[in-house]
Formats: sequence, structure tokens, C-alpha cells
Amino acid sequence: GENVEQHPSTLSVQEGDSAVIKCTYSDSASNYFPWYKQELGKRPQLIIDIRSNVGEKKDQRIAVTLNKTAKHFSLHITETQPEDSAVYFCAASQSGYALNFGKGTSLLVTP
Amino acid sequence: GAVVSQHPSRVICKSGTSVKIECRSLDFQATTMFWYRQFPKQSLMLMATSNEGSKATYEQGVEKDKFLINHASLTLSTLTVTSAHPEDSSFYICSAEGHPSSGNTIYFGEGSWLTVV
Repeated sequence: GENVEQHPSTLSVQEGDSAVIKCTYSDSASNYFPWYKQELGKRPQLIIDIRSNVGEKKDQRIAVTLNKTAKHFSLHITETQPEDSAVYFCAASQSGYALNFGKGTSLLVTP
Repeated sequence: GAVVSQHPSRVICKSGTSVKIECRSLDFQATTMFWYRQFPKQSLMLMATSNEGSKATYEQGVEKDKFLINHASLTLSTLTVTSAHPEDSSFYICSAEGHPSSGNTIYFGEGSWLTVV
């Protein structure tokens, strides 16, 4: 089955700096790679996703890059703000199958 | 957009009793729904895949007789935790995949906090 590794487990940055979270996956058949932000006790919120026919996708301060050959994908948050503080999860799946989540990254943005 | 609703959001039950959690797709039909469990400060772990009209597929290590899943319609899947014990206390969350026209987006329910006392 799919195995998703996520690093780092915790990340602390100063407000305004960039944050990068990296994930690797094992199943070359995976073709969908979403990123979720989860606040304590709430459902994961999709912040950006990328499919295997695209190498990079950007939405304002958030971008995701995908390297299918190396089986890794990364989340980039620029100009971080305190409200970006949360736990971020990467995931990988094939369409129609369950998401396989990384272990999460606790991001803290300090003013 | 597509919405998945989960109920109850919080439940406290006594050890040995059973608890049912419902997951509904409100404006789309979901032939497949997924059930996850999340312990504090941990990731979401897939428990089972719920298939409409057929038996659920359970992940390794998940007891199918303890976590009963019923997906009787295209908009409703239920998870029943039977003979609950304190170690079953967790955050349970369901998800469903939307129609291909929406890009097969995954939608999550609000989640259900289960506390077994």
C-alpha cells in the first residue's frame, strides 16, 4: 500500500518568513496530492492540491510542487502570518481510493 | 459546493455500550465513503472503506465486528462502535469523494468526538 512520509514534524517560523513542508510517497500509481490544514478538533480543510499531470500549482501565498520521478511533493507558504499556525497534512491517493496521510507538521508562526 | 455532514459532533458513552455515527453526503451521491480515526496529536488513520450496497473493506488491525459499517444508501454511511471501551475514545471522521465534474474532490465530515467513560 501507499506510504506517505512528511517532514518536519514541527516547524517554527517568524511572521513574514516562508515555510516549506515536504512529503514523499511510495506508490507510483498515486495521482492526487492534496494538502490539508487542520485546527484542533476540526475537520481538515483542503488548502491546495495537485494532480500528477501538473508539476506546480500556486494559489496566492500557497504553492505546491510535485516531482513524480522522485515521488515527492512540497508545500510552500510565503509571507506567513500567525493565523497560518495549525497542523498541516499531506496526502496521496489514486482517484476513488482513500487518502493516505502523512503524520502531519505542526506549524507555529510567531509575530 | 458539496457538503458532507457528520453526526453527532460529540458523544459520551459508558464503557460496554454502542455508539452510532452518521455520515451523510448532502448534495451528491457517494458510492464510496471512508472512515478515519484520529488520536490526539496524531494523523488521520484510515479504518475502513464503506461501499454502498456491499460490505465495507477494513484496514489491517481494525476489527470489523467492533466497528460496524453500514452504507445502505448513496448518501448515508454509518459507523457503529460496539462494546466501546475507553481506548476507543478518539476523533472519528468520514470523507466522501465528489463527482468527477468537481474534480473528484474529497469532502470531509465535521468529525465526531467520542469519549468512552
